[in-house]
Amino acid sequence: QVQLRESGPGLVKPSQTLSLTCTVSGDSISRGSHYWSWIRQPAGKGLEWIGHIYNTVGHIYTSGSTNYNPALKSRVTISIDTSKNQFSLKMNSVTAADTAVYYCAVLGNWFDPWGQGTLVTVSS
Amino acid sequence: SYVLSQPPSVSVAPGQTARITCGGNNIGSKSVHWYQQRPGQAPVLVVNDDSDRPSGIPERFSGSNSGSTATLTISRVEAGDEADYYCQVWNSISDPVVFGGGTKLTVL
Repeated sequence: QVQLRESGPGLVKPSQTLSLTCTVSGDSISRGSHYWSWIRQPAGKGLEWIGHIYNTVGHIYTSGSTNYNPALKSRVTISIDTSKNQFSLKMNSVTAADTAVYYCAVLGNWFDPWGQGTLVTVSS
Repeated sequence: SYVLSQPPSVSVAPGQTARITCGGNNIGSKSVHWYQQRPGQAPVLVVNDDSDRPSGIPERFSGSNSGSTATLTISRVEAGDEADYYCQVWNSISDPVVFGGGTKLTVL
């Protein structure tokens, strides 16, 4: 059973870069045809898909291909580290509007499972 | 971009049936997935591909999708069903993932 856990700083200063990692257990991130995804949720608001990275060559990653939310694309990078069974999110030039709970999740045709989420606050 | 519209709130008495809608242009041609999010918890998939239930989800949860509206139906509502519910679709290569705005289900 695949499990995901987010990790990273809970506090980021405005204009700096938010960096989060999702550690995958229960399966190898190198196999399969999943889309390894990031989603966020500001307090009291709905879910916002950030982007995902996916395999482009059969079931073996040679390089990940990515899709991003058009509204965030200019500030977001998602990468994958198969040696650590992790994938990561970087978001630059953050503002208070980026304060949210950030989730990683596995996307086949739907999101399942999800990580528990991690709160990131942007504040000086 | 593609928009999914959900009512902000739905209220229902225990034992009754709750219906939560998700509207979108020709949504009937897409596969719709539904998530339940209890306060302070991560979302959980409750219906996938319009009407399939993942393992462990009670039969009280069902879904349908036709025309411009998809519907999540919760029969014999219990207090533990009180949560936010979100619909989600795959849209297009340029705008792959879309979530509805969410519906807060209140059990009276």
